[in-house]
Amino acid sequence: EVQLVESGGGLVKPGGSLRLSCAASGFTFSSYSMNWVRQAPGKGLEWVSSISSSSSYIYYADSVKGRFTISRDNAKNSLYLQMNSLRAEDTAVYYCATSYGYRFDYWGQGTLVTVSS
Amino acid sequence: QSALTQPRSVSGSPGQSVTISCTGTSSDVGGYNYVSWYQQHPGKAPKLMIYDVSKRPSGVPDRFSGSKSGNTASLTISGLQAEDEADYYCCSYAGSYTFGVFGGGTKLTVL
Repeated sequence: EVQLVESGGGLVKPGGSLRLSCAASGFTFSSYSMNWVRQAPGKGLEWVSSISSSSSYIYYADSVKGRFTISRDNAKNSLYLQMNSLRAEDTAVYYCATSYGYRFDYWGQGTLVTVSS
Repeated sequence: QSALTQPRSVSGSPGQSVTISCTGTSSDVGGYNYVSWYQQHPGKAPKLMIYDVSKRPSGVPDRFSGSKSGNTASLTISGLQAEDEADYYCCSYAGSYTFGVFGGGTKLTVL
């Protein structure tokens, strides 16, 4: 059974940093592209970033480019999102999700990031 | 990239069919056969229901179907059931540097 467990969310002040993690199990992690998708409270889904299986290809939404960094450790079956220069509008539940093709196949339960002074 | 356009809400009675539209541009929906649909119940993670416009993942009932015409994709749910009440989001690939553009979401109410 595919399991994705996000962690690292919390309350952070504007301009601060946070590192999210996603622990994967139940599938061959190194064969899948991985993604971060977020959802602001009461709002819709927004794609944030994607990383290919070998980290050769990395993409970011314009809204986070230059501030967020996606990475992965295939030996540890883990995905990461380093978030710097956080803004109030980054407040959201952050989901990690697998991709095999152009879709998000499996999703974690999410971790809440709140940016507030 | 602008978000795809979905109706804010749709409704139907049990047993009926409903269709949710998702309108984009030739740079996303119209340019690729990579439209996917997600179901999200309150407080839960999204679930993939349709991918590559019309394919269903294993375990998704065949009451759910997808199609596309030009820049508009559609999700049709036939034989509505109470458990179908949820938010539905479309998503399209939009080129090399934009893995996914989502619609604003549609709230389905089963009357």
